[in-house]
Amino acid sequence: DAGITQSPRHKVTETGTPVTLRCHQTENHRYMYWYRQDPGHGLRLIHYSYGVKDTDKGEVSDGYSVSRSKTEDFLLTLESATSSQTSVYFCATRDAGSYTEAFFGQGTRLTVV
Amino acid sequence: GENVEQHPSTLSVQEGDSAVIKCTYSDSASNYFPWYKQELGKGPQLIIDIRSNVGEKKDQRIAVTLNKTAKHFSLHITETQPEDSAVYFCAAPQAGNMLTFGGGTRLMVKP
Repeated sequence: DAGITQSPRHKVTETGTPVTLRCHQTENHRYMYWYRQDPGHGLRLIHYSYGVKDTDKGEVSDGYSVSRSKTEDFLLTLESATSSQTSVYFCATRDAGSYTEAFFGQGTRLTVV
Repeated sequence: GENVEQHPSTLSVQEGDSAVIKCTYSDSASNYFPWYKQELGKGPQLIIDIRSNVGEKKDQRIAVTLNKTAKHFSLHITETQPEDSAVYFCAAPQAGNMLTFGGGTRLMVKP
């Protein structure tokens, strides 16, 4: 397995509280991504990073922010969690190049009550 | 940006039968089409991919075909086994080194 670790693996939080999910990689891949997976919607991109301190929005970025201060760490923050953000969150990494494989973490199941 | 549609959303087959999953994409400039398999409780993993200069690629019981003119590509699994039961995702690239994923197909192989 690629060296991608997501933490926590499970979390229950209350509406309105801030939440931070962490993705740590040991592959030295340039690109990192946060996706959310919901029934009927597949994998939707929240934010991505193309290098340290370089990030951009994906298709479902509202309510989320990210930071990448080191190559190996990519943090996803829910500023004020809402029930609509209950989901399974996956981090992924890719090396540079057009035909490179995306490696996924094991996922974080987040429940907002 | 790229739009990827995947069909069917669920597929049930008998063990030993073949399974076919189809995807269409919108950006004619796309040149790389991977397929991922997601087992229960795990993250997706790459099982096969194809580049636009190739029409078909095989790896044991799995094959992928690409029709660039029609902008669709398909995953074929022959002699299905219970361990093939999973969710399968197709994907296509878009600008910024991102992948756009299809909605997924839940494949169930009945013994």
